[in-house]
Amino acid sequence: AQKITQTQPGMFVQEKEAVTLDCTYDTSDQSYGLFWYKQPSSGEMIFLIYQGSYDEQNATEGRYSLNFQKARKSANLVISASQLGDSAMYFCAMREEGAQKLVFGQGTRLTINP
Amino acid sequence: DTGVSQDPRHKITKRGQNVTFRCDPISEHNRLYWYRQTLGQGPEFLTYFQNEAQLEKSRLLSDRFSAERPKGSFSTLEIQRTEQGDSAMYLCASSLGPGVAFFGQGTRLTVV
Repeated sequence: AQKITQTQPGMFVQEKEAVTLDCTYDTSDQSYGLFWYKQPSSGEMIFLIYQGSYDEQNATEGRYSLNFQKARKSANLVISASQLGDSAMYFCAMREEGAQKLVFGQGTRLTINP
Repeated sequence: DTGVSQDPRHKITKRGQNVTFRCDPISEHNRLYWYRQTLGQGPEFLTYFQNEAQLEKSRLLSDRFSAERPKGSFSTLEIQRTEQGDSAMYLCASSLGPGVAFFGQGTRLTVV
């Protein structure tokens, strides 16, 4: 069965520092996708970045990058040069090939301090 | 605004009442999903439509819940005889095929 684990309930980081949010996953499938979403207090889930299981290079989107270590089944999100607006809940999610649903972790609340 | 739109944003209802939520997906997206998110948890999948066909339902979707997407465009989620345990954020998402799912801002339901 699919499972996503985010072990950091909360993270506090100084503005302009880089931050890594941890995500490990469990699946028996060889083909799957990994996603990160940001959820501000307004409630909307904002898509940040995607990594396919067969992608050889780590995904990057602006200040976001995904540190994908397939053998360790980890997909950590790295935010460079953090900004106050990065304060939010962050969710890691996975979708197995052929499946329709996303399976989410419990999230990490990131707080950026000025 | 061409994103996923949900209405209402907030709903307070008395236990036992019926409620209905609406979701308007991104216009060209053929897939539509409903998720439920309780406090402190990640979203949990409820159901999925491809065009007008409801192709998958979670065991979380009890018989008090029903979802429709009559013309393959907007969708409604109805909860009958609401219970306090139904209090949650209900999130709708849409995608073009198996692509990235984009979410709406959610409907926050409070059952009192």
